[in-house]
Amino acid sequence: GENVEQHPSTLSVQEGDSAVIKCTYSDSASNYFPWYKQELGKRPQLIIDIRSNVGEKKDQRIAVTLNKTAKHFSLHITETQPEDSAVYFCAGPLGDDKIIFGKGTRLHILP
Amino acid sequence: DAGVTQSPTHLIKTRGQQVTLRCSPISGHKSVSWYQQVLGQGPQFIFQYYEKEERGRGNFPDRFSARQFPNYSSELNVNALLLGDSALYLCASSETFYEQYFGPGTRLTVT
Repeated sequence: GENVEQHPSTLSVQEGDSAVIKCTYSDSASNYFPWYKQELGKRPQLIIDIRSNVGEKKDQRIAVTLNKTAKHFSLHITETQPEDSAVYFCAGPLGDDKIIFGKGTRLHILP
Repeated sequence: DAGVTQSPTHLIKTRGQQVTLRCSPISGHKSVSWYQQVLGQGPQFIFQYYEKEERGRGNFPDRFSARQFPNYSSELNVNALLLGDSALYLCASSETFYEQYFGPGTRLTVT
C-alpha cells in the first residue's frame, strides 16, 4: 500500500525528558525520510531528514534513526522544552513523484 | 532570502464555484508540490511539478488541476467546489524533489 504509519497519535512527556515518535513505511524503494514540525496555525517546518544510505542523523537535540530492514524510522527529541510542543509528521516518498505524510503525533511537553 | 509565498491567505467560496490558488517557490527551486491539509490530519499530496511538467498526481478528482509557469511559480485550480474541499492548501518548493519547504498556505472555506 501507500501508507506511512505513525505512532503514537498523542504523546505527553515531562519537560526535560526524551520523546520518541516512530513511523513505518511500505515502499522498500523509499530512500528519503523527512520529519516536519507544525505548530498551531503555522506551516509544516522541515526539522530533520535522513537518506537511506545512513542509519542515524543528529542535529542538536533532534535525531532520526532508520532501520531499512524493518522499514521503520524514528524521531528522537532529547531534553524536551515547552517550545517542542507541536504536531510532528513523518513522511516518505512513493516513487520519485510524491511524498506521503503520516497522520501526525501531537506532542505535549508537561511542565 | 524570501521563502515560499502563497496567495491569497484566506478565501471563502460557494459550492459550485471555481478557485485559483497561487504559489511562488524559493528562488532557485524548480519543483513545486501541492498538498491539501484537513484539520487534524497530515498533508495529502495533490500534485508535483518540476520544470513546468507534471511529475506526480495524488488521488484527487479531475476537478483539481495545476500548472507551473516559466518562472517556476504555480497555480492550483479547483472547479465545481464541494463543501469537502474546505481545507488548508499548502504549496511546497524544492530544488528537485526532496527537502520540500512549505509556504504559509491558503485556507479555503466552501459554504
